[in-house]
Amino acid sequence: KQEVTQIPAALSVPEGENLVLNCSFTDSAIYNLQWFRQDPGKGLTSLLLIQSSQREQTSGRLNASLDKSSGRSTLYIAASQPGDSATYLCAVDRGSTLGRLYFGRGTQLTVWP
Amino acid sequence: GAVVSQHPSWVICKSGTSVKIECRSLDFQATTMFWYRQFPKQSLMLMATSNEGSKATYEQGVEKDKFLINHASLTLSTLTVTSAHPEDSSFYICSARSLATSEQYFGPGTRLTVT
Repeated sequence: KQEVTQIPAALSVPEGENLVLNCSFTDSAIYNLQWFRQDPGKGLTSLLLIQSSQREQTSGRLNASLDKSSGRSTLYIAASQPGDSATYLCAVDRGSTLGRLYFGRGTQLTVWP
Repeated sequence: GAVVSQHPSWVICKSGTSVKIECRSLDFQATTMFWYRQFPKQSLMLMATSNEGSKATYEQGVEKDKFLINHASLTLSTLTVTSAHPEDSSFYICSARSLATSEQYFGPGTRLTVT
């Protein structure tokens, strides 16, 4: 069974800091890994998707890396802003025909001005 | 970008009634849609996987007779909570898997409150 763990569970930082959110998974046989953002009471917004053959993906101030062999992914947020405050979830797709995602419990990020 | 809608966004119903929630992929086709449940400050719990034209696959512990799922077309799946009780109150989120990219796109969620 695939288990996904996210550390830290919560993070509170002043505006402008560079952040690293961690995600680990127990089964390295994955198809891809996605990072999502969830605002309170809202659905999920996909931030970055990394295929198993890739090492990293970048979008604006976000950079996600993947080390499949060690079962780890990190989400790097540069120059954090108050608008980045949200819960960040990582999810692993094991590549079954159905495409089920296994979610971590998320990191709740607060960026204060 | 790919958009998934859910309707209604929130609903309040009385105990014992049934509630239907719709999930639509607006600009792409999805043979597979997923239904999740989320409690406050918890992660998403997969309830069932729905494939177009076939019966849904339910996760262990999810009552298939209580949570009826229908996936009649490549763009629409519905979840019906039958004989709802207060403990069914939760945030229900659907997602649709893109045939083209394999990414999953999530709906905005439906807040169900059973009184």
